[in-house]
Amino acid sequence: EADIYQTPRYLVIGTGKKITLECSQTMGHDKMYWYQQDPGMELHLIHYSYGVNSTEKGDLSSESTVSRIRTEHFPLTLESARPSHTSQYLCASSEQKRQGAGETQYFGPGTRLLVL
Amino acid sequence: AQRVTQPEKLLSVFKGAPVELKCNYSYSGSPELFWYVQYSRQRLQLLLRHISRESIKGFTADLNKGETSFHLKKPFAQEEDSAMYYCALYAPMDSNYQLIWGAGTKLIIKP
Repeated sequence: EADIYQTPRYLVIGTGKKITLECSQTMGHDKMYWYQQDPGMELHLIHYSYGVNSTEKGDLSSESTVSRIRTEHFPLTLESARPSHTSQYLCASSEQKRQGAGETQYFGPGTRLLVL
Repeated sequence: AQRVTQPEKLLSVFKGAPVELKCNYSYSGSPELFWYVQYSRQRLQLLLRHISRESIKGFTADLNKGETSFHLKKPFAQEEDSAMYYCALYAPMDSNYQLIWGAGTKLIIKP
């Protein structure tokens, strides 16, 4: 079944640890995104990708990095977690359409991260 | 700069009453606008987009370019409409197009 998967769903970790948030999609989409969202607040785009070997930073400055080695996989890595990274992280994907034509984004269930 | 404003963080109405969630945007080009919804313990999902001109779950939204608004409306609210609603604008940021999100409005439908 076409879907977007995120693991782990919840993560509690100590300061300074390296973490990787996983995101995979079986939607067949080229474009993938990572958003950061604090409870009840707007979504902030932190990274996006238009396809394999394509990654871009979003409008929110982030100390995280991403990679896109396979179309379906878009992991996000924090080299050294800090309490300020505590948030919810949402992964999304969409079809590639012509430039300027908005595509529907499909979201994963999210990862709630707590850094102590 | 492109921006989406949802002036109400919280909107509470009684079941059966009309609902209007406000969204204003700032963009000099031809806008493409969306409403996304997140029900409790569910994923964020598309509710409707202005180019489709359709009604989803009884909700409609009309683009008003003169007022730069895209308000979401429903004539008779139901309890299952309680959710977080986000307005989003598809517009260029730097050299790429992306969704620019409003802060969201939490809608509570009282029985």
